[in-house]
Amino acid sequence: AQKITQTQPGMFVQEKEAVTLDCTYDTSDPSYGLFWYKQPSSGEMIFLIYQGSYDQQNATEGRYSLNFQKARKSANLVISASQLGDSAMYFCAMRVDQAGTALIFGKGTTLSVSS
Amino acid sequence: EPEVTQTPSHQVTQMGQEVILRCVPISNHLYFYWYRQILGQKVEFLVSFYNNEISEKSEIFDDQFSVERPDGSNFTLKIRSTKLEDSAMYFCASSEELGLAGGGDKNIQYFGAGTRLSVL
Repeated sequence: AQKITQTQPGMFVQEKEAVTLDCTYDTSDPSYGLFWYKQPSSGEMIFLIYQGSYDQQNATEGRYSLNFQKARKSANLVISASQLGDSAMYFCAMRVDQAGTALIFGKGTTLSVSS
Repeated sequence: EPEVTQTPSHQVTQMGQEVILRCVPISNHLYFYWYRQILGQKVEFLVSFYNNEISEKSEIFDDQFSVERPDGSNFTLKIRSTKLEDSAMYFCASSEELGLAGGGDKNIQYFGAGTRLSVL
């Protein structure tokens, strides 16, 4: 069965520092996608970054990068130069071709950025 | 930048009433989805929709739920007779296509801001 695990309920970081949010996944399908979403306190779900299992390079989007380690089945989100506005809940999610159309979400990590 | 639009942002209803949650997906997207998030819990898949029919549904999506694309832009989720446990944030999402999960950003699902449903 497919599964996403986020083991850090909460993370704290100072402004301008980098932070890594952990995500491990479990699937036997060779074709899968990994996604990170940000949910601020206002509630919306904002797409941040996508990594496909066939992609040769780690994905980057501005200050976000995905540290994809296929052998370890990990897809950690790295936020460089944290900003106060990065304080939010962050969800790792996966879609597996064998399993269909649904995204499977982890439980999320709350990131708090302080000045 | 194109976005998924959901209305209303907050809906309050009495138990047993019918509610319709509305969504306008991104215009060139072909796949549409509904998810829900009970307060403090994980985001859960409800249903996906393509070419005017349900592609996939979860066990949560029972006979009380239905989806429809009544015109070329709207996508709706109807809950026929609401229960207290239906109280949640409901998210609509859309993707350009389904494609290979392992390659190609056209399968990225973009979410709306959500409708918070409160059943009293």
